[in-house]
Amino acid sequence: GAVVSQHPSWVICKSGTSVKIECRSLDFQATTMFWYRQFPKQSLMLMATSNEGSKATYEQGVEKDKFLINHASLTLSTLTVTSAHPEDSSFYICSAAVRDRGLDTIYFGEGSWLTVV
Amino acid sequence: EDQVTQSPEALRLQEGESSSLNCSYTVSGLRGLFWYRQDPGKGPEFLFTLYSAGEEKEKERLKATLTKKESFLHITAPKPEDSATYLCAVQARNTDKLIFGTGTRLQVFP
Repeated sequence: GAVVSQHPSWVICKSGTSVKIECRSLDFQATTMFWYRQFPKQSLMLMATSNEGSKATYEQGVEKDKFLINHASLTLSTLTVTSAHPEDSSFYICSAAVRDRGLDTIYFGEGSWLTVV
Repeated sequence: EDQVTQSPEALRLQEGESSSLNCSYTVSGLRGLFWYRQDPGKGPEFLFTLYSAGEEKEKERLKATLTKKESFLHITAPKPEDSATYLCAVQARNTDKLIFGTGTRLQVFP
């Protein structure tokens, strides 16, 4: 099946610094990519939707200046958490959609654990 | 408002004891209904997408079905390795994003 890769799998950073997470679709070109955040024992919370070459669409309550999303190509999207604080510590997951005749199949990455100390 | 409800929240099964997970939805025009499996600390693993009522898909011990109001994920003769959280999500016609249910946490005991 299609593979979506995230890097890094886990990262620890100091409060006030920025950290970048990459999401790549390895064997397909993604129509759209999504970024989620997941808290322990809760479902996925959509942060933003991005399409290649255009600005991301952020969900209500998500700070676009704090969570910068760049969708540089059809196979790569990045999430940068700027000026990270301990409350940003979380599990971040990306997904990528491949479209065939108007129908989507959406695959998820393995997730990235962020700990801000 | 588009909404997805999964039941039960948690399910404990003996190995070999077949059962079904339910996903009820309301959506303004269904574009696709997705089933995923998620293990602790990992991203969701794609299982199935169903696009129209009456459609069925199978993979090993799993079978997903779809009606105009709900989807079922049938697990036949489950094994302990089927233990995971199963997530259901819908995609409406006017959007690309998925709306998730809260999941069913399945535990299969030997």
